Amino acid sequence: DADVTQTPRNRITKTGKRIMLECSQTKGHDRMYWYRQDPGLGLRLIYYSFDVKDINKGEISDGYSVSRQAQAKFSLSLESAIPNQTALYFCATKDRTGELFFGEGSRLTVL
Amino acid sequence: GDSVTQMEGPVTLSEEAFLTINCTYTATGYPSLFWYVQYPGEGLQLLLKATKADDKGSNKGFEATYRKETTSFHLEKGSVQVSDSAVYFCALSDWGGSEKLVFGKGTKLTVNP
Repeated sequence: DADVTQTPRNRITKTGKRIMLECSQTKGHDRMYWYRQDPGLGLRLIYYSFDVKDINKGEISDGYSVSRQAQAKFSLSLESAIPNQTALYFCATKDRTGELFFGEGSRLTVL
Repeated sequence: GDSVTQMEGPVTLSEEAFLTINCTYTATGYPSLFWYVQYPGEGLQLLLKATKADDKGSNKGFEATYRKETTSFHLEKGSVQVSDSAVYFCALSDWGGSEKLVFGKGTKLTVNP
């Protein structure tokens, strides 16, 4: 089983719908991250969390919210999805050396 | 703010060719530097890293040396294989700042037999 698991792996939805992407990890890391990947833009940080009570905005947090339900769980929500949120989303954890461990990604399409 | 600039792709090589993917950075502190690789349909995974100046990271035949004087961390491999076809991302983590990992835009490598 993967150390960082994302669900769903693929999702197609309509404009205005609420979407939640979930992430769980078995690595025991405190730090968790949500990134968005778009062609030609690399990865951009949406939100990050250092522990259950510490959540921080990244560079592109508008239109997104997160919840850190437990050390192992970090979910990303789109309250009202719009087409330019169509992207590949990655959850990641970070260890004390600074290395990131990524999930396999969640591909979201907003029509 | 911190930033990473890597050469734009795509890069297409024949098997056994020499590979260089350039990466330069700007940072206010003393960053750690990383190369991540993303194979088709998968998430990113760490390829190699270096945490201080003059360190050389290496893995799977790939190497990169942390050059503080030129603020560079170029990725090299002496003889690429078809299985090396992937997207490569240079990244930095500035522990003196907000601890975010800043990524370059990625370079797509295709290796033909």
